[in-house]
Amino acid sequence: GAVVSQHPSWVICKSGTSVKIECRSLDFQATTMFWYRQFPKQSLMLMATSNEGSKATYEQGVEKDKFLINHASLTLSTLTVTSAHPEDSSFYICSARGYVMSLHFGNGTRLTVT
Amino acid sequence: AQSVTQPDIHITVSEGASLELRCNYSYGATPYLFWYVQSPGQGLQLLLKYFSGDTLVQGIKGFEAEFKRSQSSFNLRKPSVHWSDAAEYFCAVGGGNAGNNRKLIWGLGTSLAVNP
Repeated sequence: GAVVSQHPSWVICKSGTSVKIECRSLDFQATTMFWYRQFPKQSLMLMATSNEGSKATYEQGVEKDKFLINHASLTLSTLTVTSAHPEDSSFYICSARGYVMSLHFGNGTRLTVT
Repeated sequence: AQSVTQPDIHITVSEGASLELRCNYSYGATPYLFWYVQSPGQGLQLLLKYFSGDTLVQGIKGFEAEFKRSQSSFNLRKPSVHWSDAAEYFCAVGGGNAGNNRKLIWGLGTSLAVNP
């Protein structure tokens, strides 16, 4: 079946540094990937839609300069949290659109900013 | 307004008991409906989906869901729950005519606990 690999699964960084999270579709091509943020005990909040070869579409209220998204190939999208602050600590999940409108999710990245 | 409501925030059932998780939606077009499951600290896994045809859909892990257009519902069921089913369950709805970048609208989730 369609597999999405998200890396790293957890990361701890110091305030002010940047962190890159990778999302790869391992056995299918994904022209569209989505990035979500999930707070404890809550649903997913869509941050942005990543399209291969073009700029990402950000949801209202999401800072595009802070959350940089690059979708350079049909199998890879990256989310870079720039100048991270403790309030950016969260669980970030990516998904890739597969066949017949199904979304395939990565296992998420737990970001802790100290 | 488009929305998905999962009325039950938390449900506890005994192992072997039947389960029904409720999902109601409001959507202006023909809905595509999904149920996903999330184990703690993990991503989401698709349980089942409904696009068209038979309104009773079978999914993985013994789950099924029934689409009832008149009630705008897509409830998830399982006849006998296993301890490994304890997780967070999300209902989502999307549309078929929104172009390539179709976004799903998510419910807030139902947390399922299973007593031994």
